[in-house]
Amino acid sequence: KAGVTQTPRYLIKTRGQQVTLSCSPISGHRSVSWYQQTPGQGLQFLFEYFSETQRNKGNFPGRFSGRQFSNSRSEMNVSTLELGDSALYLCASSLAGDGNYGYTFGSGTRLTVV
Amino acid sequence: GIQVEQSPPDLILQEGANSTLRCNFSDSVNNLQWFHQNPWGQLINLFYIPSGTKQNGRLSATTVATERYSLLYISSSQTTDSGVYFCAVISSGSARQLTFGSGTQLTVLP
Repeated sequence: KAGVTQTPRYLIKTRGQQVTLSCSPISGHRSVSWYQQTPGQGLQFLFEYFSETQRNKGNFPGRFSGRQFSNSRSEMNVSTLELGDSALYLCASSLAGDGNYGYTFGSGTRLTVV
Repeated sequence: GIQVEQSPPDLILQEGANSTLRCNFSDSVNNLQWFHQNPWGQLINLFYIPSGTKQNGRLSATTVATERYSLLYISSSQTTDSGVYFCAVISSGSARQLTFGSGTQLTVLP
């Protein structure tokens, strides 16, 4: 079966712009979560969606937002980009997202803010 | 929140050698996974192992939940095993987010 698909793979944006990243989970998986990876902070949790509802949010500013559609695909948006937002953004798919099932990650979107 | 510590932070091996990576966590967990991050950034799931022992080819993992640690064993290492290995957990009391360790950077030399 198809894995987790993230688009685009690479993105270069200018400070102050906004960006939207997309994630399509494994078919049948209803939980999608997002993580940011930077060399300084490692892998940090952004937020988790289940059945179109945000169930949990990490410690990130309000410029980071997301949503989930009825087909479980998810998007995350970052507004007013800052240089520090340059990172690898990873999306994870899980059957229920309650810890009783494993998580499968996509290939990530590498965002560079210049 | 739960703390996850991995050791060693760096490991350099000769091809064919065996290695053990360790993950300590500070609270009881519902989920523990080992991942290998490839050079392109993708996290490849190796094991879902909140407790017990599993084996997959040259890799095996053991989690002793009562003592709050997990071990990843790599036998007969190959150059393609190089990369960063992460341990990630979901604590029993948390709300559905993986907490990652800082990783072990493994380099296998030919």
